[in-house]
Amino acid sequence: EDQVTQSPEALRLQEGESSSLNCSYTVSGLRGLFWYRQDPGKGPEFLFTLYSAGEEKEKERLKATLTKKESFLHITAPKPEDSATYLCAVRRTDNYGQNFVFGPGTRLSVLP
Amino acid sequence: DTAVSQTPKYLVTQMGNDKSIKCEQNLGHDTMYWYKQDSKKFLKIMFSYNNKELIINETVPNRFSPKSPDKAHLNLHINSLELGDSAVYFCASSNPGEQYFGPGTRLTVT
Repeated sequence: EDQVTQSPEALRLQEGESSSLNCSYTVSGLRGLFWYRQDPGKGPEFLFTLYSAGEEKEKERLKATLTKKESFLHITAPKPEDSATYLCAVRRTDNYGQNFVFGPGTRLSVLP
Repeated sequence: DTAVSQTPKYLVTQMGNDKSIKCEQNLGHDTMYWYKQDSKKFLKIMFSYNNKELIINETVPNRFSPKSPDKAHLNLHINSLELGDSAVYFCASSNPGEQYFGPGTRLTVT
């Protein structure tokens, strides 16, 4: 069965303390891995798409990487405004067309 | 301009009622989706529509029915609401690839 897991479930960092979030997946017919940010009371906001192992994407303090079994979201020198839940999702293609499976998310809190 | 909008933002209703949630996107995307996010914040796909045709229907009770009058709209109708239907429902669109989500509709069934 296709599955996406994320760790840790929650992470508290001091401002400026760099860390990484993990997304592990087992899926057949992978057609992309996506990272989203979700703030309380809002819809997920797209951050990155990764398609092949070895690929990296960067945006401000965030950097996403991909291997054949997992993806990492590296946060460098985080600020309190980076506090949010970070969701990982994989897109697969099956007999029904494209389909997305989301992980449970990592709740990140960055303390000033 | 809001890319993906949903109405209403909050919906409180009693068990057994029928309700609808509306979704509109102005991104020109071909595919729209409905997701359910439960109390544990798990986001699960319910339906997706591509060019007005249903292409995915996960294990969702047939009390839920998506309706798409045109490519820019995908509404969700729910019949005979149950307590377990309480959740936040998100609409999204894509073309294809990354999805853009609406602000969500918090449904509370009492």
